[in-house]
Amino acid sequence: QKEVEQNSGPLSVPEGAIASLNCTYSDRGSQSFFWYRQYSGKSPELIMSIYSNGDKEDGRFTAQLNKASQYVSLLIRDSQPSDSATYLCAVKVLAGYSTLTFGKGTMLLVSP
Amino acid sequence: DAGVIQSPRHEVTEMGQEVTLRCKPISGHNSLFWYRQTMMRGLELLIYFNNNVPIDDSGMPEDRFSAKMPNASFSTLKIQPSEPRDSAVYFCASSLGGRQNTEAFFGQGTRLTVV
Repeated sequence: QKEVEQNSGPLSVPEGAIASLNCTYSDRGSQSFFWYRQYSGKSPELIMSIYSNGDKEDGRFTAQLNKASQYVSLLIRDSQPSDSATYLCAVKVLAGYSTLTFGKGTMLLVSP
Repeated sequence: DAGVIQSPRHEVTEMGQEVTLRCKPISGHNSLFWYRQTMMRGLELLIYFNNNVPIDDSGMPEDRFSAKMPNASFSTLKIQPSEPRDSAVYFCASSLGGRQNTEAFFGQGTRLTVV
């Protein structure tokens, strides 16, 4: 059974700090990894995707993937109060028809 | 494109009543997903369609739940009869490609309350 684990938080960081969000997954066949942000009462929105080991940067966001350790993380630099949300990690196995398996999310709180 | 469109946004119904949730995927997307989100269980996949065909319905909790996709631009999720434990936010999502490495885009969700 595919499992995606995240610390539920909340993770509290001061404005301007680096927020580090972590995710582990159980299925070694997982090939695609996504980070979604979900504001309270809203739908999940994609912010990052990563498919190969290493780092991928997009603005203030950096996704890191280590397939050997089955670990994916999201770093948010210069955190802003507007980054306060729940961050969902999702993984996908590229075998036949595959779907996204989501973690339960980590709540991030950025204080001014 | 307007994105994935779901209706209604909110639904309050009495236990035992039939509930129908509707979804219009992004034009050109051939994969459609129904998810349910609760605090306890997070975001759970209920059913997945590819080219209007149900591919994986293993997440459908029981026979009270059914889903259809009569054409590429419309899908429904029906609960009959509804129960209080069905109260949740139901999301529809769509993506381009069943086997490809593509992201899913979510609708705004339907908040269902069964009393």
